[in-house]
Amino acid sequence: DTEVTQTPKHLVMGMTNKKSLKCEQHMGHRAMYWYKQKAKKPPELMFVYSYEKLSINESVPSRFSPECPNSSLLNLHLHALQPEDSALYLCASSQYSGRAFEQFFGPGTRLTVL
Amino acid sequence: GNSVTQMEGPVTLSEEAFLTINCTYTATGYPSLFWYVQYPGEGLQLLLKATKADDKGSNKGFEATYRKETTSFHLEKGSVQVSDSAVYFCALKYLTRDDKIIFGKGTRLHILP
Repeated sequence: DTEVTQTPKHLVMGMTNKKSLKCEQHMGHRAMYWYKQKAKKPPELMFVYSYEKLSINESVPSRFSPECPNSSLLNLHLHALQPEDSALYLCASSQYSGRAFEQFFGPGTRLTVL
Repeated sequence: GNSVTQMEGPVTLSEEAFLTINCTYTATGYPSLFWYVQYPGEGLQLLLKATKADDKGSNKGFEATYRKETTSFHLEKGSVQVSDSAVYFCALKYLTRDDKIIFGKGTRLHILP
C-alpha cells in the first residue's frame, strides 16, 4: 500500500459546525503533515507530526485542532471556521522528517465554509 | 532566505512539443529538490527528485538536473501529451528542525491536441 487516503473528499459546513478530516497511511511512515491550499496557490504547511508528537504548528488558529491517535492516522478537527478557511486540505506523510525524505500527498478534502 | 522561483504560467503547448519549465532556487546549504504535479481536482504527486548536485531525476519522460552552479532545477520533457496538462510545482527541502518544503508558485501547463 503506497498511498495516503483522505476522507471525506468534499465537506460543506456552517460556521457553527464541528467536523473532522481524516487521513490514513499504511506505509509505516513516522512523519505526517497537514497543508492548506487555496486556489491557484501552492500548499501552505499547517502542522507536522513526528512519531505521533506535534513538532510544528505554523501559527495556525485554534479553530483547527490536529490529532495523531496512532502512527497511521491523522485527524484535523474543525470548529467555528470562517468562510476564508474554505480551501483544499492536503495530508502528507514521509518515512521520517528530514531533507532526504520526500512527502507523499493524499488527494485532499475540499472544504467549503458557509 | 530560502526560496523557489519558477516561470509564470500558464504555458500552452501543442501535443508532442518540447517542454521546459524553469526553476531556480535560493538556499543555504544543500537542499533536496523536487518537482510535484497536481492534476485538476487532485492532490500533489511527486514527479521526480534530486538530493545532491549533478543528480538527474526522471519519471514518466520528465527530467530535471540539480545544477548547483546555476542554482537551477529546470523540468524538461521531449514530447508532451494532452494528459500532461496540470500544475507543476518546483520545491526544495533542507535539513533543519522545521522540516519545511518551500514551494514555488506553480506553473499551469495546457497541452492542446
